[in-house]
Amino acid sequence: AQKVTQAQTEISVVEKEDVTLDCVYETRDTTYYLFWYKQPPSGELVFLIRRNSFDEQNEISGRYSWNFQKSTSSFNFTITASQVVDSAVYFCALSEAAGNKLTFGGGTRVLVKP
Amino acid sequence: SAVISQKPSRDICQRGTSLTIQCQVDSQVTMMFWYRQQPGQSLTLIATANQGSEATYESGFVIDKFPISRPNLTFSTLTVSNMSPEDSSIYLCSVVLQGPLSYEQYFGPGTRLTVT
Repeated sequence: AQKVTQAQTEISVVEKEDVTLDCVYETRDTTYYLFWYKQPPSGELVFLIRRNSFDEQNEISGRYSWNFQKSTSSFNFTITASQVVDSAVYFCALSEAAGNKLTFGGGTRVLVKP
Repeated sequence: SAVISQKPSRDICQRGTSLTIQCQVDSQVTMMFWYRQQPGQSLTLIATANQGSEATYESGFVIDKFPISRPNLTFSTLTVSNMSPEDSSIYLCSVVLQGPLSYEQYFGPGTRLTVT
């Protein structure tokens, strides 16, 4: 069975600080997909990134970056120079096949204070 | 990406009644799912909505409580039957967009249900 753990339930930072969200996963499959979603206070779930298990390249998109390490089954997410608009709940999720259902972590609430 | 709409966006219902939630996508998709997010919690998959056949339910969810229809590749409904306050949640549909080199999964805006 697959499992996703986000050990940090809530992180509070001051604007312009960097914040790293941890995600650790468990799966028996050799091919799988990892996701990050953002859920702002309005409630919608915003897709941020999808990573394939066979592609361990780290990725940067603006102030967002992701560090995928198969050796430690981790897929961590860093927000650089955080802004108040980054305040949201962030979910890490795992899919064991393309097009398959997602298993979500418990989510990490990020609060960025001005 | 896909444009996904859900109706209603929110509702307040009396216990014992039923509510049907609609999910409409602007393109044909093979895979559609229904998730539940209880207050302050993460998302849990209710079922996979299969076009032309019965939905596939996850452990803890049954068809009598959450009947699902999927009449075509752009539309699905989820009914929450005989509601109780414990059914108060956000219900979200999601779709998979899959190409030769890509695979993305997007979510609708959600239906916020309160049962009194």
